[in-house]
This record gives sequence, C-alpha cells and structure tokens, in this order.
Amino acid sequence: ILNVEQSPQSLHVQEGDSTNFTCSFPSSNFYALHWYRWETAKSPEALFVMTLNGDEKKKGRISATLNTKEGYSYLYIKGSQPEDSATYLCAPVGAGSYQLTFGKGTKLSVIP
Amino acid sequence: DTGVSQDPRHKITKRGQNVTFRCDPISEHNRLYWYRQTLGQGPEFLTYFQNEAQLEKSRLLSDRFSAERPKGSFSTLEIQRTEQGDSAMYLCASSFQGAIGEQFFGPGTRLTVL
Repeated sequence: ILNVEQSPQSLHVQEGDSTNFTCSFPSSNFYALHWYRWETAKSPEALFVMTLNGDEKKKGRISATLNTKEGYSYLYIKGSQPEDSATYLCAPVGAGSYQLTFGKGTKLSVIP
Repeated sequence: DTGVSQDPRHKITKRGQNVTFRCDPISEHNRLYWYRQTLGQGPEFLTYFQNEAQLEKSRLLSDRFSAERPKGSFSTLEIQRTEQGDSAMYLCASSFQGAIGEQFFGPGTRLTVL
C-alpha cells in the first residue's frame, strides 16, 4: 500500500491569485501518477497522467511537474478562477498494479 | 451521454439491510474499478475487473461485499447486512486496457446506513 501525502489540506485564495499544491509518494516501484479534479456533486475529472521523471504537463491554466526520484509532484494553477474551486487529488500507481492509491486531496476555494 | 453512469445516486438504508449498486462503464472500456470514499479521505480501491474476470480485490472488501460483472459490461456491487461504517460514497470507474489506463469516473452512489 502506497503512502500518499497531499498538502495543504485546504486552501483559500483570491480570484486571480496563482497557487500550487504538493503530492508526495514513495519513489520505489513507481509507475505513473494521476491528478484528478473533483467538484462537488460531479464525477472526478482526470487532469493529467504522468510517468517520466521531469515530466511537465499543461492544460490551460493548470500545469503539473513530476519528480519520480524524490517522489513528489506539484500542481500549479495560474490566475485562479471561482470555477477552479474543487478538491484536487493525486494518485500514484505502482508497477504491476492498476489500482489508484489516492491522497486525501487539497480542497481549493477561490474567492471572487 | 457516453460517460460512466451509476445508479442509484443516493441510497438510505437501515442497518442490516442488503443494498446493490449498479455501474455502467463507457461501452468500449474493458476495465472496471470500484472505489469507496469516506469523509475526509481520498477514494480507496475496492476491486477491479478486466472484462468479466475480477482480477484484484482489496482487503477492504469484506465477506459482506461482492462485486460482479457477468457479461463484461455493467457491474454490480452488493453489500449484505449493512453496517453504519459502510456509509460512504461508492465510485465506479472504467478504462481502456493499456499501459497507462486513465480511469474515467462516474458520479458515485452515496450510501447512508442508519
């Protein structure tokens, strides 16, 4: 079982601020890392799947980086908007497994 | 809508009753997963199917829980003799068979056991 830590647990930012979250995971036996956004009353939505050390992915104002050697990933949101308010979850996958092991998430609230 | 669907969206039951949830995955996906999320936690893996074969089960899946995917399409998750600790959001996801299976989630079934 992977020990996945996400920080901060919750975050309040003003509209227009940029922000970032951290996901830490065991670096051994790493295969892939998934990031999801989960808005209240909706389905979790996949943001990124990352596999390579040093990988960077971008989707609009959201980007993510991956360091598999030290076992962490950062998610960045540039110019936060109220519609970015959600819980952001990371989930590493170990080699030989298909199950996602989720962290507890970072709950982001963007204040208009 | 061609996404993952789950039924019912909400279920309230009394302790000791049996409940069954249904998941309809994206039609071309051959992998199907069940997760459970309790308050303050991230979703926790329960079980996984490839076509109709149940290939992986978490130790969280006690004897009271059973999951099936009889024709390799929809899946059901049954909980027998429900307990208050079973109250949670039950999520279903599906994916293609492939190296990096991005999992597509349904909206979940929220179970409340009184």
